[in-house]
Amino acid sequence: EAQVTQNPRYLITVTGKKLTVTCSQNMNHEYMSWYRQDPGLGLRQIYYSMNVEVTDKGDVPEGYKVSRKEKRNFPLILESPSPNQTSLYFCASSLGQLQPQHFGDGTRLSIL
Amino acid sequence: DQQVKQNSPSLSVQEGRISILNCDYTNSMFDYFLWYKKYPAEGPTFLISISSIKDKNEDGRFTVFLNKSAKHLSLHIVPSQPGDSAVYFCAASVLLLSYQLIWGAGTKLIIKP
Repeated sequence: EAQVTQNPRYLITVTGKKLTVTCSQNMNHEYMSWYRQDPGLGLRQIYYSMNVEVTDKGDVPEGYKVSRKEKRNFPLILESPSPNQTSLYFCASSLGQLQPQHFGDGTRLSIL
Repeated sequence: DQQVKQNSPSLSVQEGRISILNCDYTNSMFDYFLWYKKYPAEGPTFLISISSIKDKNEDGRFTVFLNKSAKHLSLHIVPSQPGDSAVYFCAASVLLLSYQLIWGAGTKLIIKP
């Protein structure tokens, strides 16, 4: 089954404790992206990647890091999480820019 | 400043009638638009798209209209069904320039039986 898998689905943690949210897709997609969703703001793009070792900033990259060492994986790293990063996070992938994105089911992060 | 705006946070429509969801944008460089649908506890799923060379695109019960001069697009669902109850997002992009998608805040559609 074609899917984008995010882990964990839920996480409560404390300020400053490094965390990683993993994202994996099994569709051999080149393009992957991370979004955060906040009430009243819709989805905002954090980082995206056009292919292995090619990443670029989206609208709200501050406080986040990503890496794309393999085509299927695109982890999101919060080196020193802060409460304003409490949000619902989505990973997505697609074949290319014109192709619809497939989304994971989301990761709800709470930073205390 | 939000470049893509969905000014109605929610919309309630009778089953069987037409649902019209609206989206306005400010950046005249946008040339590709998409609609996504989202159920609770799931990620968004793609619904329909339109490029700026067209003013209408149809897929079954879903039609998207684009008015470039007004910088406005709308999604029509006819007839509306209970399973259409979801949050609908519009998103916009500048093709060949960026892989960024700019999203609206979403409209929650409620279909009443």
